Amino acid sequence: QVTLKESGPVLVKPTETLTLTCTVSGFSLSNVRMGVSWIRQPPGKALECLAQIFSNDEKSYSTSLNSRLSISKDTSKSQVVLTMTNMDPVDTGTYYCARFTILSYGLDVWGQGTTVTVSS
Amino acid sequence: DVQMTQSPSSLSASVGDSVTITCRASQSISRYLNWYQQKPGKAPKLLIYAASSLQSGVPSRFSGSGSGTDFTLTISSLQPEDFATYYCQQSYSSPNTFGQGTKLEI
Repeated sequence: QVTLKESGPVLVKPTETLTLTCTVSGFSLSNVRMGVSWIRQPPGKALECLAQIFSNDEKSYSTSLNSRLSISKDTSKSQVVLTMTNMDPVDTGTYYCARFTILSYGLDVWGQGTTVTVSS
Repeated sequence: DVQMTQSPSSLSASVGDSVTITCRASQSISRYLNWYQQKPGKAPKLLIYAASSLQSGVPSRFSGSGSGTDFTLTISSLQPEDFATYYCQQSYSSPNTFGQGTKLEI
């Protein structure tokens, strides 16, 4: 069974750096057919793709947030880590990780999401 | 980035109705278009990939069509569990981008 689970702080202060971890099971981060994406959703708003990483360590980032984001993976730990610097209250929302597969070019399995609030 | 525009933003329908949601891309994305369903407080669920392929386990009343810049999601014979928000997403180029969503209400 394929699962993804997000973990990280519930509350961060403005200007701080957010670090989120996605722990996967049921597939390997070295699988050439798969990658992991991070997506966020502000309360009541649309989904936004933040970053993506593939088995060959190829990465892509949201154009508007590129300077604040970094994605990495530890294949031995089955973890993908997203960092976002200089957090602001507008970054409040639910952050999801999801598996991307070239079999569908879609996000076929999602984590449950983790809610992050940015407030002093 | 490829901009994705959905219409309508919201839609009212009844059980048994058929509805169509439209998604337009700002440039050609071939058939790299996915549709997701999201219910309140839940993660999105992949319904349709590659514009018209039904994800495993998804009921056949969901169908997708289109290529290039214009795509549609059709839900025939609406069931109570179909009332949710629907998003399109392009996976043609990075960063992958989502539409703004269509809320389907009773």
